[in-house]
Amino acid sequence: GNSVTQMEGPVTLSEEAFLTINCTYTATGYPSLFWYVQYPGEGLQLLLKATKADDKGSNKGFEATYRKETTSFHLEKGSVQVSDSAVYFCALLYSSASKIIFGSGTRLSIRP
Amino acid sequence: NAGVTQTPKFQVLKTGQSMTLQCAQDMNHNSMYWYRQDPGMGLRLIYYSASEGTTDKGEVPNGYNVSRLNKREFSLRLESAAPSQTSVYFCASSDGLTGGELFFGEGSRLTVL
Repeated sequence: GNSVTQMEGPVTLSEEAFLTINCTYTATGYPSLFWYVQYPGEGLQLLLKATKADDKGSNKGFEATYRKETTSFHLEKGSVQVSDSAVYFCALLYSSASKIIFGSGTRLSIRP
Repeated sequence: NAGVTQTPKFQVLKTGQSMTLQCAQDMNHNSMYWYRQDPGMGLRLIYYSASEGTTDKGEVPNGYNVSRLNKREFSLRLESAAPSQTSVYFCASSDGLTGGELFFGEGSRLTVL
């Protein structure tokens, strides 16, 4: 079936470090892929998305590229800030079922 | 900008009690969803409503019922609460997922003793 697997956390980095959060997926067809972010005490909000192979989604300095050959959608940022501390969720949409499947989430903590 | 509004934000129940979580959206979205969030398990879909008048089961529907009251409102009911239903519940809406973006409420923390 369709599923999303992302690296377990927590991930703790120093400010200005390089960030990678791995995400791989299993799906039939051509799903759309997403990263959502959840700041403390809030609901999730969309960070970026990619709808077809080789698309790159980007927002707030974060990037992720849809790699069909490796079924991956890794999240990267070149220089993290304390304000990036949050839980990050990888997700996929398989349109035939009209619903989004989420990974288990990765908690990111940034030290000043 | 209200977006998606959930009530209540916090609730403590005893085993066997019933309650309803309310959700309303003001974005004229067709689709609405209920998720639960548990540590280490991410978000799991309980029920969804692709359009007004329809509802479908998600991954973990047992112990829950839903009502799509109108286009704006989508409620989640626990008829006989169990400790395993202790969780944070999120309501979300979308414009049919053509763009893929879900808009989430702030969550409702439920504890069942």
